[in-house]
Amino acid sequence: SSVLTQPPSVSVAPGKTASITCGGDNIRSKSVHWFQQRPGQAPVLVIEHDTDRPSGIPERFSGSKSGDTATLTISRVEAGDEADYYCQVWGTTSDHPGWVFGGGTKLTVL
Amino acid sequence: EVHLVESGGGLVQPGGSLRLSCAASGFSFSDHYMNWVRQAPGKGLEWVGRSRNRANSYITEYAASVKGRFTVSRDVSKNSLYLQMSNLKTEDTAVYYCTRETVVLDYWGQGTLVTVSS
Repeated sequence: SSVLTQPPSVSVAPGKTASITCGGDNIRSKSVHWFQQRPGQAPVLVIEHDTDRPSGIPERFSGSKSGDTATLTISRVEAGDEADYYCQVWGTTSDHPGWVFGGGTKLTVL
Repeated sequence: EVHLVESGGGLVQPGGSLRLSCAASGFSFSDHYMNWVRQAPGKGLEWVGRSRNRANSYITEYAASVKGRFTVSRDVSKNSLYLQMSNLKTEDTAVYYCTRETVVLDYWGQGTLVTVSS
């Protein structure tokens, strides 16, 4: 099991807004990063340090955090956004050293 | 442009060994932390280990699941990162990705598949 909890799946109609949550102990004190992984492809960083969008990532992608829950929001969802999304933090406990990933959320565009 | 190309995957028997390579280009290899991340078939992402940069003496760190069995190393003259895997188990079956770390894991290779099976 992952120390970062994500919903296994989220479904959204094209043009609507999708929200994917990531919860974990003490996330409030850590930087949360988000990755998109399309089928058969390597992960791509879409949000870094809770809210920052890397160069080349559409403005439709945004990140936020409230307390111990981080949220990836995708506005005006397109068919090409269908993918698995993973949150990530640097783990500092002895049980979870190194980079820690959430279990992933499959985004389905209806 | 940053490029990371993994190689060396294949079929290996339980208890066997395998060495993966990652050829890096387009950036200063010695100045970056480099990581290995794996993904079992149909499963999520799992961090395997990393090599810190030259300024941090290339210190290596590992996930508990592979510590003592896997070794991360690099050859800066060849701009290459390696993952030596020994005493492989069926649960090590996965696609292994090489990733560059610039505070975040900002570039990933396309991965190489390792299958541990008899």
